[in-house]
Amino acid sequence: DIQMTQSPSSLSASVGDRLTITCRASQSISTYLNWYQQKPGQAPKLLIYAASSLQSGVPSRFSGSGSGTDFTLTISSLHPEDFATYHCQQSYNTPRTFGQGTKLEIK
Amino acid sequence: QVQLQESGPGLVKPSQTLSLTCTVSGGSISSGSYYWSWIRQPAGKGLEWIGRIYSSGSTNYNPSLKSRVTISVDTSRNQFSLKLSSVTATDTAFYYCAREVRGRDWVTWFDPWGQGTLVTVSS
Repeated sequence: DIQMTQSPSSLSASVGDRLTITCRASQSISTYLNWYQQKPGQAPKLLIYAASSLQSGVPSRFSGSGSGTDFTLTISSLHPEDFATYHCQQSYNTPRTFGQGTKLEIK
Repeated sequence: QVQLQESGPGLVKPSQTLSLTCTVSGGSISSGSYYWSWIRQPAGKGLEWIGRIYSSGSTNYNPSLKSRVTISVDTSRNQFSLKLSSVTATDTAFYYCAREVRGRDWVTWFDPWGQGTLVTVSS
């Protein structure tokens, strides 16, 4: 199985901050990498697919980059509604695997 | 707009079989380049992919659960289902159904997801 490791596991930030979350795959996955946002009591919601493609309806302050084993999710300026948990997921092969999640909290 | 909704018992006894159904609305389960997937999440923990089914009935399972999992599809009802046998307390989790969309170059992603249902394994 491909192991996905996110860093940090949690962080505190303020509204307006620029933020980057990292996801590392245990082997090269090209750009077969997706990002999801999950708020408490809700299902995950797709933000970014294929490493850098913004899902329709997702604000442009979210962006993704990377290929191979190292990927980043960037939020250019945090809004109050962005405080949530973020998950990366590889679709290079099965079983599909997810990172452990990064919990973003308000400072 | 496609929507997914999980249904099934919220409490299952140890050693019994967990059974959940996902009803798809707003689109046909038989159309398009989609897989229909089950994913679970223990409270406060990460996401685990259980497996998926194509409308033709072909399946892929997580090897860690393969011996206990069966996913099936009922195209006439626009539903797909999960059975997980011999459950223990470690199977207690939120269970989500999701559509896996296939894009260019075989890139895929999960969208949308059902709202999720909590299944507790306890006597």
